Amino acid sequence: GAVVSQHPSWVICKSGTSVKIECRSLDFQATTMFWYRQFPKQSLMLMATSNEGSKATYEQGVEKDKFLINHASLTLSTLTVTSAHPEDSSFYICSAERQQETQYFGPGTRLLVL
Amino acid sequence: KQEVTQIPAALSVPEGENLVLNCSFTDSAIYNLQWFRQDPGKGLTSLLLIQSSQREQTSGRLNASLDKSSGRSTLYIAASQPGDSATYLCAVIFTGANSKLTFGKGITLSVRP
Repeated sequence: GAVVSQHPSWVICKSGTSVKIECRSLDFQATTMFWYRQFPKQSLMLMATSNEGSKATYEQGVEKDKFLINHASLTLSTLTVTSAHPEDSSFYICSAERQQETQYFGPGTRLLVL
Repeated sequence: KQEVTQIPAALSVPEGENLVLNCSFTDSAIYNLQWFRQDPGKGLTSLLLIQSSQREQTSGRLNASLDKSSGRSTLYIAASQPGDSATYLCAVIFTGANSKLTFGKGITLSVRP
């Protein structure tokens, strides 16, 4: 149990377009989901904490209007990168927390903005 | 500032060697510490979770220790195999951080056949 999926696994888009990434907990309900970004050879940096039915909490330096997070149900959170630019190219990973236990991580989404 | 550090950034060992990966953290007030494995271009796989009240955890050839007073954790890998080649990340939930994981940069391990 405790499987988290992400879709798409990779995406290439043109500069200025928006990209939506989905994070799903497949076999458990997650009241809290987390979104991370990872640059090459760097660690995971937390972008925001997403709670079902409420607004996401963003980390310092993360633009909430650029990275829109929606946690519409206990099994789905989405991250939309609006007006993407090449510097937004990165590896985006989500995690889902089950009953305040450990976080279970998705396989990641690689975004390349041309 | 609460930080997690992993040194060295990369390590190469011959197959069969026992090895230790180090992790240090700046604040001894932690909720738990976790070791993850990440293969290239992939997500994270949790290896071992050590609660604040515990000193170590074991799973197969892996053993993780925790010394809060010195702000250190080690991941011991016995009889390393080429399949162990990956990046190993240490992450801490500091007390009061509301489940937020603070990650180290990871150690990229290469086990040579």
